[in-house]
Amino acid sequence: DVKVTQSSRYLVKRTGEKVFLECVQDMDHENMFWYRQDPGLGLRLIYFSYDVKMKEKGDIPEGYSVSREKKERFSLILESASTNQTSMYLCASSFIDPSNEQFFGPGTRLTVL
Amino acid sequence: AQTVTQSQPEMSVQEAETVTLSCTYDTSESDYYLFWYKQPPSRQMILVIRQEAYKQQNATENRFSVNFQKAAKSFSLKISDSQLGDAAMYFCAYHRAFNDMRFGAGTRLTVKP
Repeated sequence: DVKVTQSSRYLVKRTGEKVFLECVQDMDHENMFWYRQDPGLGLRLIYFSYDVKMKEKGDIPEGYSVSREKKERFSLILESASTNQTSMYLCASSFIDPSNEQFFGPGTRLTVL
Repeated sequence: AQTVTQSQPEMSVQEAETVTLSCTYDTSESDYYLFWYKQPPSRQMILVIRQEAYKQQNATENRFSVNFQKAAKSFSLKISDSQLGDAAMYFCAYHRAFNDMRFGAGTRLTVKP
């Protein structure tokens, strides 16, 4: 049974705090993705990675950074959280060919106060 | 940038009836992949169905089928014999390469008993 897990389901942080969201997959996927999901906007890609230590900016990378030190783990970092980063964050992974489906984690609902 | 449009933010269907969710996309490419994903309330997003653009035949998975019109850039999802468990957010997605992917804004489907 394939799995993508995320470190927290719910997270509440203060403005200016550094926030780490972790994602782990056990399917040996090359690709890993971080999305932000907001009502009416669908999923917007923040960053993705196609290999260890490799990363590419998505559509909305501002205010975020990522780290991929191991193939199975992809971290999203909010260097200084702001209220407009309150959202649902979804991690996904897939094999490298675009014909492959993405497997999603359960999501982290982040609230920044 | 490629865009994916789901024009129906919300849809409802009576149990056992058929419903069609619309999706249009914009691309100048000829080779790409289209997906419908389902996100049940408080549960992980999962793949419903996939269509390769080079295939003329519409994909089918049990009660789920698509109407793929490549020239019109349309990719609708038909759910037959709707069940209560079909209630979810449905996202249409376009993949061409790992750095060229788009999701629609989603359609919330309600199934009435």
